[in-house]
Amino acid sequence: GDSVTQMEGPVTLSEEAFLTINCTYTATGYPSLFWYVQYPGEGLQLLLKATKADDKGSNKGFEATYRKETTSFHLEKGSVQVSDSAVYFCALTPNTGNQFYFGTGTSLTVIP
Amino acid sequence: ETGVTQSPTHLIKTRGQQVTLRCSSQSGHNTVSWYQQALGQGPQFIFQYYREEENGRGNFPPRFSGLQFPNYSSELNVNALELDDSALYLCASSPDSHPTDTQYFGPGTRLTVL
Repeated sequence: GDSVTQMEGPVTLSEEAFLTINCTYTATGYPSLFWYVQYPGEGLQLLLKATKADDKGSNKGFEATYRKETTSFHLEKGSVQVSDSAVYFCALTPNTGNQFYFGTGTSLTVIP
Repeated sequence: ETGVTQSPTHLIKTRGQQVTLRCSSQSGHNTVSWYQQALGQGPQFIFQYYREEENGRGNFPPRFSGLQFPNYSSELNVNALELDDSALYLCASSPDSHPTDTQYFGPGTRLTVL
């Protein structure tokens, strides 16, 4: 069945470090891919998305590219800030049927 | 524009009981999805409702059921509660039922089953 696998955390980085959070997926067909973020004390919110192969989603300095050949959607940011500390979830929805699959989440802590 | 709200915030029930959780979607959003999030895990999709009809379902037994009302509110009902039902329950609304629509999540209801 469809699924998402994320790198396990927690991840701790110093401010201005480069961030990569790995995400790979298993799906039939052509799913849409998402990154959601949960800041401390807040609800889940969409960070970025990509709906077809080779699309790049971007928001708030974060980027992820939909790579069908490697079934991946890794999240990157060139220079993290303390305010980026949160839990990040990779997710997919198959474009047939109305289901949604989340990864287990990766906790990021950025220290000054 | 108001956000997605859920009630109650916390709930404690005993095994075998029934529970109803409530969600108020953003105005104009025709789709609501419900998720179960166990501690330390990602949300698990329970089901989706579009214009008051179930529009997709995850791998949850029939004792998990839902309702969606014309006033953008919805309910998640769980019968015959089990200890493993203890989790954070999230609802998310979206404007339409297209798979790529952005979902707007509520803060969740924390259910504890004793």
